[in-house]
Amino acid sequence: DGGITQSPKYLFRKEGQNVTLSCEQNLNHDAMYWYRQDPGQGLRLIYYSQIVNDFQKGDIAEGYSVSREKKESFPLTVTSAQKNPTAFYLCASSPRTGNSEQYFGPGTRLTVT
Amino acid sequence: DAKTTQPPSMDCAEGRAANLPCNHSTISGNEYVYWYRQIHSQGPQYIIHGLKNNETNEMASLIITEDRKSSTLILPHASLRDTAVYYCIVRGRGSGGGADGLTFGKGTHLIIQP
Repeated sequence: DGGITQSPKYLFRKEGQNVTLSCEQNLNHDAMYWYRQDPGQGLRLIYYSQIVNDFQKGDIAEGYSVSREKKESFPLTVTSAQKNPTAFYLCASSPRTGNSEQYFGPGTRLTVT
Repeated sequence: DAKTTQPPSMDCAEGRAANLPCNHSTISGNEYVYWYRQIHSQGPQYIIHGLKNNETNEMASLIITEDRKSSTLILPHASLRDTAVYYCIVRGRGSGGGADGLTFGKGTHLIIQP
C-alpha cells in the first residue's frame, strides 16, 4: 500500500524531554511537511522540505527541529524549548510540482505533562 | 495566499446535496482554490481543486464564480460519512515551485443528519 505513516498514534512525555515524531512515505514524493493542530483550530505549518537535505521554517518553527536525510523520511523533534507542545501533529507529502495536492498521514497526538 | 471565509457550521440531510460556500475576494490571477476535509482525529483528505473552470471528480464538484471571488463545493448525495470539517484554501504557485505549505483556517463543520 502506498501512503504516509506516522507513529505512534498517541505519545506521552514529561515536560523538559525532547521527543521525536516519525513520518515515512513511500509515494516517491519530493516535498514533505509538518503541521500542528490545536483543538478547534486549523492546521499551522511548522517546517517543510522540498528536497532531500533541505528544509525551510514554516509559520511556527520555534521549539521544533527536523532533518531530511532520506527522501522517504522527515522526522520532527519537539524540543523542551517548545512552550506548548501538547497538540495533534500531522505530516504530509506532495510531488514537487506547481499545484499538487498534499497527502496527509493519520497524525500523532502528543501530550506533555 | 489570499484569505478565505467560510461559515463555521452547516447541517445537511442525508441523501441531499451539500453546498459549502467559500469567499476569497482577494484571490489573485494565479491562485488556485483547494478543498480538503478532515474527519475527527484523522489527517486531512484532499477533495478537489480548480483555477477558474468548474471541476468535478468522484467525490465532489467545485463551482467557481466568474469573478473568482467565491466558490462552492458540492457533495451531490451526502452520507453520514461526509460529516467532517471542510477547508477551503487559496494557494499560489509559491517561490518554491508550489511545494510550500498550505494555510488552513477553521473551516466549515458539516454535519449530515440522518
